Amino acid sequence: DVKVTQSSRYLVKRTGEKVFLECVQDMDHENMFWYRQDPGLGLRLIYFSYDVKMKEKGDIPEGYSVSREKKERFSLILESASTNQTSMYLCASSVYSGNSPLHFGNGTRLTVT
Amino acid sequence: QKEVEQNSGPLSVPEGAIASLNCTYSDRGSQSFFWYRQYSGKSPELIMSIYSNGDKEDGRFTAQLNKASQYVSLLIRDSQPSDSATYLCAVLGAGNNRKLIWGLGTSLAVNP
Repeated sequence: DVKVTQSSRYLVKRTGEKVFLECVQDMDHENMFWYRQDPGLGLRLIYFSYDVKMKEKGDIPEGYSVSREKKERFSLILESASTNQTSMYLCASSVYSGNSPLHFGNGTRLTVT
Repeated sequence: QKEVEQNSGPLSVPEGAIASLNCTYSDRGSQSFFWYRQYSGKSPELIMSIYSNGDKEDGRFTAQLNKASQYVSLLIRDSQPSDSATYLCAVLGAGNNRKLIWGLGTSLAVNP
Protein backbone atom coordinates (compact mmCIF):
# COMPACT_ATOMS: atom_id res chain seq x y z
CA ASP A 1 0.00 0.00 0.00
CA VAL A 2 1.12 3.51 -0.77
CA LYS A 3 1.94 5.53 2.29
CA VAL A 4 2.00 9.30 2.21
CA THR A 5 3.00 10.78 5.53
CA GLN A 6 2.50 14.37 6.56
CA SER A 7 4.62 15.48 9.47
CA SER A 8 1.91 17.14 11.55
CA ARG A 9 -1.79 16.47 11.96
CA TYR A 10 -2.53 19.79 13.67
CA LEU A 11 -0.45 22.95 13.66
CA VAL A 12 -1.02 26.36 15.21
CA LYS A 13 1.16 29.25 14.10
CA ARG A 14 1.19 33.00 14.52
CA THR A 15 0.77 35.58 11.77
CA GLY A 16 4.08 36.34 10.11
CA GLU A 17 5.78 33.09 11.05
CA LYS A 18 7.52 30.97 8.44
CA VAL A 19 5.82 27.58 8.33
CA PHE A 20 7.10 24.31 6.92
CA LEU A 21 4.76 21.44 6.06
CA GLU A 22 6.54 18.20 5.27
CA CYS A 23 5.35 15.28 3.18
CA VAL A 24 7.07 11.96 2.55
CA GLN A 25 5.93 9.10 0.29
CA ASP A 26 7.37 5.61 0.30
CA MET A 27 6.36 4.32 -3.14
CA ASP A 28 8.95 5.99 -5.36
CA HIS A 29 6.27 8.12 -7.01
CA GLU A 30 7.45 10.77 -9.44
CA ASN A 31 4.55 13.18 -8.92
CA MET A 32 3.80 15.02 -5.71
CA PHE A 33 1.15 17.62 -5.01
CA TRP A 34 0.08 20.10 -2.36
CA TYR A 35 -3.59 21.05 -2.03
CA ARG A 36 -5.57 23.06 0.41
CA GLN A 37 -9.20 22.28 1.17
CA ASP A 38 -11.71 24.79 2.47
CA PRO A 39 -15.47 24.46 2.99
CA GLY A 40 -17.35 25.53 -0.12
CA LEU A 41 -14.17 25.89 -2.17
CA GLY A 42 -13.14 22.27 -2.48
CA LEU A 43 -9.65 21.07 -3.25
CA ARG A 44 -7.37 23.70 -4.72
CA LEU A 45 -3.93 22.91 -6.11
CA ILE A 46 -1.11 25.01 -4.67
CA TYR A 47 2.02 23.49 -6.23
CA PHE A 48 3.07 20.23 -7.79
CA SER A 49 6.27 18.51 -8.82
CA TYR A 50 7.00 15.92 -11.47
CA ASP A 51 10.61 15.32 -10.51
CA VAL A 52 13.32 16.15 -8.02
CA LYS A 53 14.15 19.87 -7.93
CA MET A 54 11.27 20.54 -10.30
CA LYS A 55 8.15 22.50 -9.34
CA GLU A 56 5.12 23.90 -11.08
CA LYS A 57 2.61 26.45 -9.82
CA GLY A 58 -0.90 25.28 -9.31
CA ASP A 59 -4.01 27.41 -9.15
CA ILE A 60 -3.26 29.31 -5.93
CA PRO A 61 0.53 29.56 -5.43
CA GLU A 62 0.59 33.06 -3.95
CA GLY A 63 2.08 33.13 -0.47
CA TYR A 64 3.54 29.64 -0.80
CA SER A 65 6.72 28.03 -2.04
CA VAL A 66 7.87 24.42 -2.25
CA SER A 67 11.00 22.37 -2.14
CA ARG A 68 11.76 18.94 -3.53
CA GLU A 69 15.36 18.01 -2.86
CA LYS A 70 14.70 14.26 -2.74
CA LYS A 71 12.22 12.21 -4.70
CA GLU A 72 10.32 11.03 -1.65
CA ARG A 73 9.96 14.40 0.08
CA PHE A 74 7.94 17.46 -0.91
CA SER A 75 7.81 20.43 1.42
CA LEU A 76 5.35 23.30 1.43
CA ILE A 77 6.57 26.60 2.83
CA LEU A 78 4.44 29.50 3.97
CA GLU A 79 6.89 32.37 3.82
CA SER A 80 4.92 34.64 6.15
CA ALA A 81 1.79 32.97 7.47
CA SER A 82 -1.45 34.91 7.34
CA THR A 83 -4.86 34.17 8.82
CA ASN A 84 -6.32 33.47 5.37
CA GLN A 85 -3.95 30.53 5.11
CA THR A 86 -5.80 28.75 7.90
CA SER A 87 -6.91 25.57 6.15
CA MET A 88 -6.58 21.82 5.74
CA TYR A 89 -3.43 21.06 3.73
CA LEU A 90 -3.27 17.80 1.82
CA CYS A 91 -0.22 16.24 0.23
CA ALA A 92 -0.64 13.62 -2.50
CA SER A 93 1.53 11.53 -4.77
CA SER A 94 1.12 9.50 -7.94
CA VAL A 95 3.19 7.57 -10.43
CA TYR A 96 4.40 9.39 -13.52
CA SER A 97 1.59 8.33 -15.86
CA GLY A 98 -0.95 11.11 -16.19
CA ASN A 99 -3.79 8.65 -15.78
CA SER A 100 -2.77 7.45 -12.37
CA PRO A 101 -4.85 8.37 -9.33
CA LEU A 102 -3.61 10.42 -6.41
CA HIS A 103 -2.82 8.94 -3.01
CA PHE A 104 -3.32 11.38 -0.17
CA GLY A 105 -1.66 11.85 3.17
CA ASN A 106 -3.72 12.31 6.34
CA GLY A 107 -3.68 16.08 6.05
CA THR A 108 -2.42 18.91 8.24
CA ARG A 109 -4.95 21.25 9.77
CA LEU A 110 -3.15 24.57 10.06
CA THR A 111 -4.50 27.41 12.13
CA VAL A 112 -2.87 30.82 11.85
CA THR A 113 -3.74 33.21 14.67
CA GLN B 1 -12.83 27.54 -17.47
CA LYS B 2 -12.91 23.80 -17.13
CA GLU B 3 -15.40 22.64 -14.51
CA VAL B 4 -16.63 19.59 -12.71
CA GLU B 5 -20.08 19.83 -11.15
CA GLN B 6 -21.74 17.72 -8.52
CA ASN B 7 -24.93 18.15 -6.52
CA SER B 8 -23.83 19.16 -3.05
CA GLY B 9 -26.62 17.19 -1.38
CA PRO B 10 -27.09 16.01 1.19
CA LEU B 11 -28.32 12.88 -0.50
CA SER B 12 -30.14 10.75 2.02
CA VAL B 13 -30.90 7.06 1.40
CA PRO B 14 -32.10 4.26 3.67
CA GLU B 15 -29.78 1.43 4.56
CA GLY B 16 -29.79 -1.25 1.87
CA ALA B 17 -30.87 1.10 -0.92
CA ILE B 18 -28.93 2.14 -4.00
CA ALA B 19 -27.23 5.53 -3.80
CA SER B 20 -26.66 7.30 -7.11
CA LEU B 21 -24.10 10.09 -7.31
CA ASN B 22 -23.65 12.15 -10.45
CA CYS B 23 -20.93 14.32 -11.89
CA THR B 24 -20.78 16.37 -15.09
CA TYR B 25 -17.68 17.89 -16.64
CA SER B 26 -17.04 20.56 -19.23
CA ASP B 27 -13.76 19.47 -20.87
CA ARG B 28 -14.85 17.26 -23.75
CA GLY B 29 -11.34 15.88 -24.24
CA SER B 30 -11.03 14.48 -20.70
CA GLN B 31 -9.97 10.85 -20.59
CA SER B 32 -9.58 9.85 -16.95
CA PHE B 33 -12.16 10.00 -14.18
CA PHE B 34 -11.93 9.25 -10.49
CA TRP B 35 -14.26 8.90 -7.53
CA TYR B 36 -12.92 9.58 -4.05
CA ARG B 37 -14.62 9.16 -0.70
CA GLN B 38 -13.88 11.58 2.12
CA TYR B 39 -15.03 11.07 5.67
CA SER B 40 -15.41 14.15 7.83
CA GLY B 41 -12.01 15.36 9.01
CA LYS B 42 -10.14 12.80 6.93
CA SER B 43 -8.34 12.90 3.61
CA PRO B 44 -9.84 11.66 0.31
CA GLU B 45 -9.38 8.00 -0.55
CA LEU B 46 -9.73 6.53 -4.03
CA ILE B 47 -12.79 4.35 -4.66
CA MET B 48 -12.83 3.93 -8.42
CA SER B 49 -11.12 5.08 -11.57
CA ILE B 50 -12.72 4.78 -15.01
CA TYR B 51 -11.31 5.53 -18.42
CA SER B 52 -13.67 3.98 -20.98
CA ASN B 53 -17.33 4.46 -21.74
CA GLY B 54 -19.62 2.06 -19.96
CA ASP B 55 -19.73 0.52 -16.52
CA LYS B 56 -16.98 -0.59 -14.19
CA GLU B 57 -17.87 -2.61 -11.12
CA ASP B 58 -15.91 -3.15 -7.93
CA GLY B 59 -17.82 -4.87 -5.16
CA ARG B 60 -20.80 -2.72 -4.20
CA PHE B 61 -19.56 0.18 -6.31
CA THR B 62 -20.23 0.78 -10.00
CA ALA B 63 -18.85 3.70 -11.96
CA GLN B 64 -20.58 4.67 -15.17
CA LEU B 65 -19.02 6.88 -17.83
CA ASN B 66 -20.72 8.53 -20.80
CA LYS B 67 -18.24 10.73 -22.65
CA ALA B 68 -20.75 11.87 -25.27
CA SER B 69 -22.97 13.31 -22.55
CA GLN B 70 -19.99 14.31 -20.40
CA TYR B 71 -21.11 12.69 -17.22
CA VAL B 72 -19.79 10.11 -14.84
CA SER B 73 -21.77 8.52 -12.04
CA LEU B 74 -21.17 6.31 -9.04
CA LEU B 75 -23.72 3.77 -7.83
CA ILE B 76 -23.45 2.28 -4.37
CA ARG B 77 -25.54 -0.87 -3.94
CA ASP B 78 -26.74 -2.11 -0.56
CA SER B 79 -25.77 1.20 1.04
CA GLN B 80 -24.44 0.98 4.58
CA PRO B 81 -24.22 3.65 7.30
CA SER B 82 -20.43 3.40 6.91
CA ASP B 83 -20.87 4.76 3.36
CA SER B 84 -21.97 8.09 4.83
CA ALA B 85 -19.32 10.51 3.58
CA THR B 86 -18.64 13.14 0.95
CA TYR B 87 -17.94 11.74 -2.52
CA LEU B 88 -15.60 13.73 -4.74
CA CYS B 89 -15.49 13.47 -8.51
CA ALA B 90 -12.17 14.30 -10.20
CA VAL B 91 -11.50 14.62 -13.92
CA LEU B 92 -8.10 14.72 -15.59
CA GLY B 93 -7.92 17.58 -18.05
CA ALA B 94 -7.04 17.00 -21.69
CA GLY B 95 -4.06 18.15 -23.71
CA ASN B 96 -1.46 20.32 -22.02
CA ASN B 97 -3.71 20.96 -19.02
CA ARG B 98 -3.20 17.57 -17.43
CA LYS B 99 -4.24 18.57 -13.97
CA LEU B 100 -7.03 17.03 -11.96
CA ILE B 101 -10.15 19.15 -11.80
CA TRP B 102 -12.22 18.49 -8.69
CA GLY B 103 -15.89 18.76 -8.00
CA LEU B 104 -17.01 20.14 -4.66
CA GLY B 105 -18.44 16.81 -3.62
CA THR B 106 -21.80 15.27 -2.78
CA SER B 107 -22.60 14.55 0.84
CA LEU B 108 -24.24 11.14 1.31
CA ALA B 109 -26.11 10.08 4.44
CA VAL B 110 -27.19 6.46 4.78
CA ASN B 111 -29.87 6.12 7.43
CA PRO B 112 -30.12 2.90 9.48
